[in-house]
Amino acid sequence: LAKTTQPISMDSYEGQEVNITCSHNNIATNDYITWYQQFPSQGPRFIIQGYKTKVTNEVASLFIPADRKSSTLSLPRVSLSDTAVYYCLVGGPNNAGNMLTFGGGTRLMVKP
Amino acid sequence: NAGVTQTPKFRILKIGQSMTLQCAQDMNHNYMYWYRQDPGMGLKLIYYSVGAGITDKGEVPNGYNVSRSTTEDFPLRLELAAPSQTSVYFCASSPRVGNTEAFFGQGTRLTVV
Repeated sequence: LAKTTQPISMDSYEGQEVNITCSHNNIATNDYITWYQQFPSQGPRFIIQGYKTKVTNEVASLFIPADRKSSTLSLPRVSLSDTAVYYCLVGGPNNAGNMLTFGGGTRLMVKP
Repeated sequence: NAGVTQTPKFRILKIGQSMTLQCAQDMNHNYMYWYRQDPGMGLKLIYYSVGAGITDKGEVPNGYNVSRSTTEDFPLRLELAAPSQTSVYFCASSPRVGNTEAFFGQGTRLTVV
């Protein structure tokens, strides 16, 4: 599994765009990048997954540069309810050796 | 849709007691997982299963046991509870193995005193 590095915490204000970057220098050719969101006292929830360039859904966008050694989760116009921990995972989607393993994540605090 | 259901939601155990945390999913997923999450920390994989009758150890299996007799159920057994097992336990399932979309239960908060 590729090791990932994320900031431990970030602060933002309501209405701002938040970008959380994840470093994964040893990403493998068949690895995907996946982001989960975890609210307090709840299990993690899948947000978005991508392989290269840009992926967008109703919740977030994921930007992946050509070398794929990092990725950025972008949350547009955050609200107080976006306060959560965000986890970046890197691994192959169909590799039996790649069980879902979570690092420490990034704790995002959105302030009024 | 029920998704992944965990019971109980809360439990207090005395040192040395045993208990089983229940996990059931109704999505017909082959892959199921148990994690523990200590306060302020990420999730640690305890055990996982790739199908009925097949289980394997994760990162922190000591003190726990699992079984998978059906596709739907994946109970986690704690034998001889210790204070170090005080944690929040999450069960998850996924339709495919590896880095894919997984669905988590609401968790079981366990305190061992």
